[in-house]
Amino acid sequence: DAKTTQPTSMDCAEGRAANLPCNHSTISGNEYVYWYRQIHSQGPQYIIHGLKNNETNEMASLIITEDRKSSTLILPHATLRDTAVYYCIVRVNPSSNTGKLIFGQGTTLQVKP
Amino acid sequence: DTAVSQTPKYLVTQMGNDKSIKCEQNLGHDTMYWYKQDSKKFLKIMFSYNNKELIINETVPNRFSPKSPDKAHLNLHINSLELGDSAVYFCASSRPPGLAGGEQFFGPGTRLTVL
Repeated sequence: DAKTTQPTSMDCAEGRAANLPCNHSTISGNEYVYWYRQIHSQGPQYIIHGLKNNETNEMASLIITEDRKSSTLILPHATLRDTAVYYCIVRVNPSSNTGKLIFGQGTTLQVKP
Repeated sequence: DTAVSQTPKYLVTQMGNDKSIKCEQNLGHDTMYWYKQDSKKFLKIMFSYNNKELIINETVPNRFSPKSPDKAHLNLHINSLELGDSAVYFCASSRPPGLAGGEQFFGPGTRLTVL
Protein backbone atom coordinates (compact mmCIF):
# COMPACT_ATOMS: atom_id res chain seq x y z
CA ASP A 1 0.00 0.00 0.00
CA ALA A 2 1.22 3.49 -0.83
CA LYS A 3 2.53 5.73 1.92
CA THR A 4 0.81 8.95 2.89
CA THR A 5 2.12 12.24 4.26
CA GLN A 6 0.00 14.50 6.43
CA PRO A 7 0.77 17.63 8.48
CA THR A 8 1.27 16.77 12.12
CA SER A 9 -1.26 19.28 13.40
CA MET A 10 -3.73 21.93 12.30
CA ASP A 11 -6.04 24.42 13.95
CA CYS A 12 -9.47 25.47 12.76
CA ALA A 13 -11.98 27.99 14.08
CA GLU A 14 -15.34 26.60 15.12
CA GLY A 15 -17.92 27.01 12.37
CA ARG A 16 -15.32 27.34 9.63
CA ALA A 17 -14.37 24.71 7.10
CA ALA A 18 -11.48 22.44 8.04
CA ASN A 19 -9.35 21.38 5.08
CA LEU A 20 -7.01 18.49 5.84
CA PRO A 21 -4.45 17.69 3.14
CA CYS A 22 -2.84 14.36 2.38
CA ASN A 23 -0.07 13.53 -0.07
CA HIS A 24 0.07 10.08 -1.63
CA SER A 25 2.39 10.59 -4.59
CA THR A 26 3.11 6.88 -5.04
CA ILE A 27 -0.52 5.85 -5.21
CA SER A 28 -1.28 3.28 -7.89
CA GLY A 29 -4.32 2.92 -10.05
CA ASN A 30 -6.14 0.38 -7.94
CA GLU A 31 -5.61 2.09 -4.60
CA TYR A 32 -8.37 3.91 -2.76
CA VAL A 33 -7.98 6.84 -0.37
CA TYR A 34 -9.67 6.32 3.02
CA TRP A 35 -10.10 8.75 5.87
CA TYR A 36 -10.65 7.79 9.48
CA ARG A 37 -10.54 9.86 12.62
CA GLN A 38 -9.89 9.08 16.25
CA ILE A 39 -11.42 11.25 18.90
CA HIS A 40 -9.50 11.15 22.16
CA SER A 41 -9.77 7.81 23.97
CA GLN A 42 -12.18 6.37 21.41
CA GLY A 43 -11.83 3.85 18.61
CA PRO A 44 -11.15 5.11 15.07
CA GLN A 45 -14.21 6.14 13.08
CA TYR A 46 -14.62 5.77 9.33
CA ILE A 47 -15.30 9.06 7.54
CA ILE A 48 -15.17 8.64 3.78
CA HIS A 49 -13.26 6.99 0.94
CA GLY A 50 -12.80 7.46 -2.80
CA LEU A 51 -10.91 6.32 -5.85
CA LYS A 52 -10.70 9.26 -8.22
CA ASN A 53 -13.98 11.12 -8.14
CA ASN A 54 -14.80 13.61 -5.43
CA GLU A 55 -17.04 12.15 -2.75
CA THR A 56 -19.41 13.66 -0.23
CA ASN A 57 -21.38 12.19 2.64
CA GLU A 58 -23.06 13.50 5.75
CA MET A 59 -19.74 13.88 7.55
CA ALA A 60 -17.33 15.31 5.01
CA SER A 61 -16.21 15.81 1.44
CA LEU A 62 -13.18 14.23 -0.19
CA ILE A 63 -11.44 16.04 -3.00
CA ILE A 64 -8.90 13.98 -4.96
CA THR A 65 -6.63 15.73 -7.46
CA GLU A 66 -6.77 14.67 -11.07
CA ASP A 67 -3.36 12.97 -10.87
CA ARG A 68 -4.50 11.33 -7.62
CA LYS A 69 -1.25 12.22 -5.89
CA SER A 70 -2.98 14.19 -3.18
CA SER A 71 -6.35 14.66 -1.58
CA THR A 72 -8.13 16.95 0.85
CA LEU A 73 -10.70 16.06 3.46
CA ILE A 74 -13.14 18.89 4.06
CA LEU A 75 -15.25 19.24 7.17
CA PRO A 76 -17.60 22.02 6.01
CA HIS A 77 -18.54 23.47 9.40
CA ALA A 78 -16.14 22.26 12.05
CA THR A 79 -17.40 21.92 15.61
CA LEU A 80 -15.52 21.37 18.84
CA ARG A 81 -16.51 17.69 18.63
CA ASP A 82 -14.48 17.38 15.42
CA THR A 83 -11.26 17.79 17.41
CA ALA A 84 -9.47 14.50 16.70
CA VAL A 85 -6.59 12.81 14.93
CA TYR A 86 -7.42 12.37 11.24
CA TYR A 87 -5.81 9.53 9.32
CA CYS A 88 -5.42 9.37 5.56
CA ILE A 89 -4.90 5.78 4.42
CA VAL A 90 -4.28 4.40 0.97
CA ARG A 91 -5.07 0.81 0.28
CA VAL A 92 -5.58 -1.46 -2.64
CA ASN A 93 -8.92 -2.19 -4.19
CA PRO A 94 -10.99 -3.78 -1.44
CA SER A 95 -11.86 -6.66 -3.73
CA SER A 96 -8.27 -7.83 -3.77
CA ASN A 97 -6.90 -7.22 -0.34
CA THR A 98 -7.18 -8.53 3.17
CA GLY A 99 -8.73 -5.41 4.64
CA LYS A 100 -5.57 -4.42 6.47
CA LEU A 101 -5.45 -0.71 7.33
CA ILE A 102 -2.02 0.86 7.77
CA PHE A 103 -2.30 3.92 9.99
CA GLY A 104 0.32 6.67 9.90
CA GLN A 105 0.73 9.45 12.43
CA GLY A 106 -2.27 11.37 11.15
CA THR A 107 -3.12 15.05 11.57
CA THR A 108 -4.22 16.31 14.95
CA LEU A 109 -7.01 18.79 14.25
CA GLN A 110 -7.79 21.22 17.03
CA VAL A 111 -11.06 23.09 16.59
CA LYS A 112 -11.05 26.27 18.62
CA PRO A 113 -14.00 28.35 19.83
CA ASP B 1 -27.28 -1.27 20.68
CA THR B 2 -23.52 -0.91 20.55
CA ALA B 3 -22.12 -2.07 17.21
CA VAL B 4 -18.70 -3.32 18.35
CA SER B 5 -18.19 -3.92 22.04
CA GLN B 6 -15.15 -4.94 24.02
CA THR B 7 -14.68 -6.19 27.56
CA PRO B 8 -13.10 -5.22 29.76
CA LYS B 9 -12.55 -1.52 29.12
CA TYR B 10 -9.59 -1.43 31.49
CA LEU B 11 -7.30 -4.27 32.49
CA VAL B 12 -4.48 -3.96 34.99
CA THR B 13 -2.38 -7.03 35.65
CA GLN B 14 1.02 -8.28 36.70
CA MET B 15 3.81 -9.45 34.43
CA GLY B 16 3.63 -13.12 33.66
CA ASN B 17 -0.13 -13.40 33.98
CA ASP B 18 -2.46 -14.67 31.27
CA LYS B 19 -5.43 -12.52 30.29
CA SER B 20 -8.19 -12.37 27.70
CA ILE B 21 -10.00 -9.53 25.98
CA LYS B 22 -13.39 -10.17 24.41
CA CYS B 23 -14.95 -8.56 21.37
CA GLU B 24 -18.45 -8.85 19.99
CA GLN B 25 -20.11 -7.21 17.00
CA ASN B 26 -23.81 -7.12 16.19
CA LEU B 27 -23.42 -5.74 12.66
CA GLY B 28 -23.64 -9.08 10.93
CA HIS B 29 -20.10 -8.68 9.60
CA ASP B 30 -17.98 -11.63 8.55
CA THR B 31 -14.58 -10.07 9.19
CA MET B 32 -13.09 -9.01 12.50
CA TYR B 33 -9.72 -7.48 13.45
CA TRP B 34 -7.48 -6.75 16.39
CA TYR B 35 -5.33 -3.61 16.40
CA LYS B 36 -2.80 -2.43 18.97
CA GLN B 37 -2.19 1.25 19.78
CA ASP B 38 1.00 1.80 21.72
CA SER B 39 2.06 4.68 23.92
CA LYS B 40 3.21 6.64 20.88
CA LYS B 41 -0.33 6.37 19.52
CA PHE B 42 0.58 4.30 16.47
CA LEU B 43 -2.22 1.95 15.48
CA LYS B 44 -1.06 -1.36 14.08
CA ILE B 45 -3.02 -4.36 12.92
CA MET B 46 -2.37 -7.64 14.68
CA PHE B 47 -4.88 -10.17 13.39
CA SER B 48 -7.86 -10.52 11.11
CA TYR B 49 -10.44 -13.26 10.86
CA ASN B 50 -12.88 -13.77 8.01
CA ASN B 51 -15.74 -16.10 8.77
CA LYS B 52 -13.77 -17.61 11.67
CA GLU B 53 -10.69 -18.18 9.49
CA LEU B 54 -7.40 -16.38 10.18
CA ILE B 55 -6.42 -14.20 7.21
CA ILE B 56 -3.94 -11.74 8.73
CA ASN B 57 -1.25 -12.49 11.29
CA GLU B 58 1.18 -9.61 11.49
CA THR B 59 4.20 -11.32 13.06
CA VAL B 60 2.74 -10.95 16.49
CA PRO B 61 4.47 -12.97 19.26
CA ASN B 62 2.84 -16.34 19.69
CA ARG B 63 1.95 -15.35 23.25
CA PHE B 64 -0.98 -13.63 21.53
CA SER B 65 -3.64 -16.02 20.30
CA PRO B 66 -6.90 -14.88 18.75
CA LYS B 67 -9.92 -17.14 18.96
CA SER B 68 -13.11 -16.78 17.00
CA PRO B 69 -15.88 -19.01 18.38
CA ASP B 70 -18.33 -17.62 15.82
CA LYS B 71 -18.53 -14.80 13.30
CA ALA B 72 -19.77 -12.31 15.87
CA HIS B 73 -16.93 -12.82 18.35
CA LEU B 74 -13.16 -12.48 18.23
CA ASN B 75 -11.33 -12.85 21.51
CA LEU B 76 -7.68 -12.15 22.21
CA HIS B 77 -5.75 -14.29 24.66
CA ILE B 78 -2.39 -13.10 25.88
CA ASN B 79 -0.06 -15.45 27.76
CA SER B 80 2.89 -14.51 29.95
CA LEU B 81 2.18 -10.80 29.80
CA GLU B 82 5.16 -8.46 29.45
CA LEU B 83 5.57 -4.76 30.22
CA GLY B 84 5.70 -4.02 26.50
CA ASP B 85 2.22 -5.42 26.04
CA SER B 86 0.80 -2.35 27.77
CA ALA B 87 -1.30 -0.60 25.13
CA VAL B 88 -4.83 0.03 24.00
CA TYR B 89 -6.27 -2.87 22.00
CA PHE B 90 -9.01 -2.17 19.50
CA CYS B 91 -11.33 -4.67 17.93
CA ALA B 92 -12.94 -3.86 14.58
CA SER B 93 -15.29 -5.49 12.13
CA SER B 94 -16.21 -5.06 8.49
CA ARG B 95 -17.95 -6.76 5.64
CA PRO B 96 -15.59 -9.19 3.86
CA PRO B 97 -12.62 -7.30 2.37
CA GLY B 98 -13.60 -8.55 -1.05
CA LEU B 99 -16.67 -6.32 -1.10
CA ALA B 100 -16.43 -2.71 -2.17
CA GLY B 101 -16.33 -0.20 0.64
CA GLY B 102 -15.19 -2.44 3.44
CA GLU B 103 -15.08 0.34 5.99
CA GLN B 104 -14.15 -0.91 9.42
CA PHE B 105 -16.12 -0.24 12.58
CA PHE B 106 -14.04 -0.05 15.73
CA GLY B 107 -14.83 -0.87 19.31
CA PRO B 108 -14.11 1.49 22.20
CA GLY B 109 -10.80 -0.15 23.06
CA THR B 110 -9.35 -2.03 26.02
CA ARG B 111 -6.57 -0.30 27.90
CA LEU B 112 -4.16 -2.95 29.14
CA THR B 113 -1.60 -2.01 31.78
CA VAL B 114 1.03 -4.55 32.74
CA LEU B 115 2.83 -3.82 36.01
